[in-house]
Amino acid sequence: EAGVTQFPSHSVIEKGQTVTLRCDPISGHDNLYWYRRVMGKEIKFLLHFVKESKQDESGMPNNRFLAERTGGTYSTLKVQPAELEDSGVYFCASSQEKWTGYNGYTFGSGTRLTVV
Amino acid sequence: AQSVTQLDSQVPVFEEAPVELRCNYSSSVSVYLFWYVQYPNQGLQLLLKYLSGSTLVESINGFEAEFNKSQTSFHLRKPSVHISDTAEYFCAVSDNFHNNDMRFGAGTRLTVKP
Repeated sequence: EAGVTQFPSHSVIEKGQTVTLRCDPISGHDNLYWYRRVMGKEIKFLLHFVKESKQDESGMPNNRFLAERTGGTYSTLKVQPAELEDSGVYFCASSQEKWTGYNGYTFGSGTRLTVV
Repeated sequence: AQSVTQLDSQVPVFEEAPVELRCNYSSSVSVYLFWYVQYPNQGLQLLLKYLSGSTLVESINGFEAEFNKSQTSFHLRKPSVHISDTAEYFCAVSDNFHNNDMRFGAGTRLTVKP
């Protein structure tokens, strides 16, 4: 089966611009997660979708970040306007089960965002 | 809420040497523990996990980790590393089976030198 796909793999934008990251989960996975890793630090949870609904968005840093998952398939994460501190690697993951236990998550390769 | 500390940001070792990557967690309830690996230009892959039962868990490529409740640790070990083990390793913890809230450590970059 195809894995979790993220694009672009890299993005360099100027401060104040808008960037949209996309994640295509494994087909049939209802659960979709966004995580972010700022340089050298831990991978931090951003939000969790179950199908098209936001189950938990407690990790979203501020209202410059908007995540959507129309139709319960792919998801987008928009940053508008981007700030320097938004730089990092954005990971998407998906899972079939409702809980983390059995198989953990399947992660994509990440999008490396650099804001200059 | 739970948290994870990976004590070493970088671990350089020579090929065929043993290695231990340290992970400590904090949680007020029972936990489920994971090690993920990220090879260059790839996504995070689940390496091994502890859910319950035997405290020693193994991966298919020779890594093992032992859950130590009294020391709140889940260190990752391999008796003899290969060049191909060069990667970044992340420890993760989840303390609520139904909450989908997985917390990660900052990662340990393992570099295996010839």
